Amino acid sequence: GAVVSQHPSRVICKSGTSVKIECRSLDFQATTMFWYRQFPKQSLMLMATSNEGSKATYEQGVEKDKFLINHASLTLSTLTVTSAHPEDSSFYICSARERSGLGEKLFFGSGTQLSVL
Amino acid sequence: GNSVTQMEGPVTLSEEAFLTINCTYTATGYPSLFWYVQYPGEGLQLLLKATKADDKGSNKGFEATYRKETTSFHLEKGSVQVSDSAVYFCALANSGGYQKVTFGTGTKLQVIP
Repeated sequence: GAVVSQHPSRVICKSGTSVKIECRSLDFQATTMFWYRQFPKQSLMLMATSNEGSKATYEQGVEKDKFLINHASLTLSTLTVTSAHPEDSSFYICSARERSGLGEKLFFGSGTQLSVL
Repeated sequence: GNSVTQMEGPVTLSEEAFLTINCTYTATGYPSLFWYVQYPGEGLQLLLKATKADDKGSNKGFEATYRKETTSFHLEKGSVQVSDSAVYFCALANSGGYQKVTFGTGTKLQVIP
């Protein structure tokens, strides 16, 4: 089946640095990818919708200048957490939507645990 | 807005025990309902889904029935195995595709031999 690869799986960084997370669809083209964040004991919350070749659509309350999303190709979307602070420590997960003649499916990456010191 | 509430874990069961993970939802319209599973070190995978009231989704021995009257979609399995140890997420999406998927908090299941 379709696979979504997300890297890195875990990252620890110092406060003030930027961190880039990659999300790749390995065997299908994904015009749309989604980025989620999960705090401990809370739901996965949709942060933004990433559309290939256009600007991402951010959910209410998500700072677009802090969470930069780039979807430059049909198989790659990146999320950059700029000037990370301890409150950005969270579990980030991406998903990619596959559309075919059989319908629509959503495939998820394995997530990235970000810890900001 | 939409919301999904599922039982807090972790849930620890012995092998061959009966499993129930409760899930209730709040949504406008007639959403599709899903259960996703995340095995250690892997991404979320769709386990089963139901798209309308009274539908039963099933896969790998797991079942869940879309109950509109109780706004519930409880996950059940008659006899769990150690390999079922994972985190289970209940989710919903309004009709029109995967633009907005609302997830529950996830329930960790640990099955011991």
